[in-house]
Amino acid sequence: QKEVEQDPGPLSVPEGAIVSLNCTYSNSAFQYFMWYRQYSRKGPELLMYTYSSGNKEDGRFTAQVDKSSKYISLFIRDSQPSDSATYLCAMVTSGSRLTFGEGTQLTVNP
Amino acid sequence: DTGVSQNPRHKITKRGQNVTFRCDPISEHNRLYWYRQTLGQGPEFLTYFQNEAQLEKSRLLSDRFSAERPKGSFSTLEIQRTEQGDSAMYLCASSFAPPDTQYFGPGTRLTVL
Repeated sequence: QKEVEQDPGPLSVPEGAIVSLNCTYSNSAFQYFMWYRQYSRKGPELLMYTYSSGNKEDGRFTAQVDKSSKYISLFIRDSQPSDSATYLCAMVTSGSRLTFGEGTQLTVNP
Repeated sequence: DTGVSQNPRHKITKRGQNVTFRCDPISEHNRLYWYRQTLGQGPEFLTYFQNEAQLEKSRLLSDRFSAERPKGSFSTLEIQRTEQGDSAMYLCASSFAPPDTQYFGPGTRLTVL
């Protein structure tokens, strides 16, 4: 079993939709949780960084962490075509290596 | 430009050849990481440095792989006797710990023929 499981997608939504991206994990030692966005043939770009259960909002993006259920989500409000990319969840214990999910490919259609 | 830079961006080589990639981290970042990403997968950790010391290596890093970070600045990743299975995107990230938030470069795409 992989330590981090991510909804595989692909996901296709109309412009303006609310998007929900989800990951579950099995390692209770994970303490820090991140979401990265990756455009085709580019490096991952950090979107959100959280370390506690609850919600964190940044513009149209909301990251949600539920440590009791080992479940994290990223919500995108008012999605735009420019949001079309692969979204990667990533987690880290007290150490340094990031453990990534497989990524969810999102397409927002105009 | 203050981001992480990687060179070359693309590398095509024949099986059995050696290749070397370079990563220049964000200035003053003390940690530097290497990851490998294959198509449709998330990045997988290979190794990381704190300053010039290599602190952790993944089991993925076979004897054919070696990484260095002389003087705690740029880093190189060398793959000897390349195999077709080495074809992937090689990503470099850097951070300043704490809080150790990792920022990625654009990657080097390796194709082994």
